[in-house]
Amino acid sequence: SQQGEEDPQALSIQEGENATMNCSYKTSINNLQWYRQNSGRGLVHLILIRSNEREKHSGRLRVTLDTSKKSSSLLITASRAADTASYFCAVRYNAGNNRKLIWGLGTSLAVNP
Amino acid sequence: GAGVSQTPSNKVTEKGKYVELRCDPISGHTALYWYRQSLGQGPEFLIYFQGTGAADDSGLPNDRFFAVRPEGSVSTLKIQRTERGDSAVYLCASSLIGGSEQYFGPGTRLTVT
Repeated sequence: SQQGEEDPQALSIQEGENATMNCSYKTSINNLQWYRQNSGRGLVHLILIRSNEREKHSGRLRVTLDTSKKSSSLLITASRAADTASYFCAVRYNAGNNRKLIWGLGTSLAVNP
Repeated sequence: GAGVSQTPSNKVTEKGKYVELRCDPISGHTALYWYRQSLGQGPEFLIYFQGTGAADDSGLPNDRFFAVRPEGSVSTLKIQRTERGDSAVYLCASSLIGGSEQYFGPGTRLTVT
């Protein structure tokens, strides 16, 4: 399979808690992206982190990238019920002029009020 | 337009029929992607256009699937002799350049009976 792997597959937390999701991939990448998908808004881009970056922040989101372990994590702080969604990582691999994204299976996050 | 649009939003067809799915990308986006997504899975890459040409069609499952983007804007995904296994949500995305953050349409839910 070309897909990366995410864990956990499902996560249930209380509002106000932090949520951490992980993504692993196979070979060297150009960039890694995180997306959110819920029934109301479809797939929405959250953060893009390049292979030479180690950490990026956007509001309550923090993404880290460890190229030696071929893994990334997405941290959502002070979660809200509205954060309930599926979260996907997608990688652009480095092979040639490859510009397509390969997607993981996603983590389903439920934030309980 | 304000975002990526896809038509129809739902399509029910009989096995063996031909279908066309349309995607209108964000104006000015040169890259256009087609994916399909089954329940509980991440998006599966089908084909990527840079301008009018298909830069990468390695994800098309077989020769029943074909896509065009004749003027570098609107794209049509064409599926011949549909099979029940083709049932999925077909997603279209566009980006300013290939490999960067993608903006997704709401998808077309295809059901083959």
